[in-house]
Amino acid sequence: EDKVVQSPLSLVVHEGDTVTLNCSYEVTNFRSLLWYKQEKKAPTFLFMLTSSGIEKKSGRLSSILDKKELFSILNITATQTGDSAVYLCAVDSLGPGGTSYGKLTFGQGTILTVHP
Amino acid sequence: DTGVSQDPRHKITKRGQNVTFRCDPISEHNRLYWYRQTLGQGPEFLTYFQNEAQLEKSRLLSDRFSAERPKGSFSTLEIQRTEQGDSAMYLCASSFVYPVFTEAFFGQGTRLTVV
Repeated sequence: EDKVVQSPLSLVVHEGDTVTLNCSYEVTNFRSLLWYKQEKKAPTFLFMLTSSGIEKKSGRLSSILDKKELFSILNITATQTGDSAVYLCAVDSLGPGGTSYGKLTFGQGTILTVHP
Repeated sequence: DTGVSQDPRHKITKRGQNVTFRCDPISEHNRLYWYRQTLGQGPEFLTYFQNEAQLEKSRLLSDRFSAERPKGSFSTLEIQRTEQGDSAMYLCASSFVYPVFTEAFFGQGTRLTVV
C-alpha cells in the first residue's frame, strides 16, 4: 500500500524565518509528487515534481525531489503570516500500461503557523 | 469555467438520514475524483471516474456510499443511513489524465456533520 509521511506535523515560526517541510514516500510505480497548500478550504496546487534534482520555484517557495532516497522538501523563505496553512504532500503512481492513475495518496500534512 | 464547484458547502444531518452531494468539475478535464478528509488528516481517496465510468472504489467506500457521474459531466456522492463516523469534509477534484496526468484541482468541499 502506498504511504506518504510528512514531518514535522506542526511548525510555529515568526515572520521572516525560513522553513523546510519534509515528505517521504513509499510508492509502487511512482510517477510524480505534488505539494498543495490548504487554508481551511480547497487544497490549492503548488508544485508537481517528476524528476530528481530539479528544483521548482515560485516566488518564495521552492521544492525538490530525490527519487533515490524517496523524499521531497518544500522550502519557504522570508515567511509571511499569509503562509500559515496546512501543507500537503501527495504522490501519484502508474497503473497497468504505464499510464497515471491520477489517484493521489496524501500525507497527514504539516500545519505551519507564522506569527507576526 | 472558474474551477471545480461543490454543493452544498455545509450539510448537517441526523444519523440515519440519506445525503447527496454534487460536484461540477472543470469541463475540459477527463477525470473526476472524490476524497474524504477528517480533522487533522490529509485527504483520502474514495473513488474516481473516467467520463461516466467509475474505474475504482476505495475499500473506505462502504455499501452505504454510492457515486455516479451520468453523461460524464457532474457527479453525485450519496451516503445512505448516515453514521457519526461519516462526519468529514468531502472533496471533489478533477484533472487531465491524457496524454499525461496534470495537477488535480480541488473544489471547496462539502463539510458533513452527522448528529
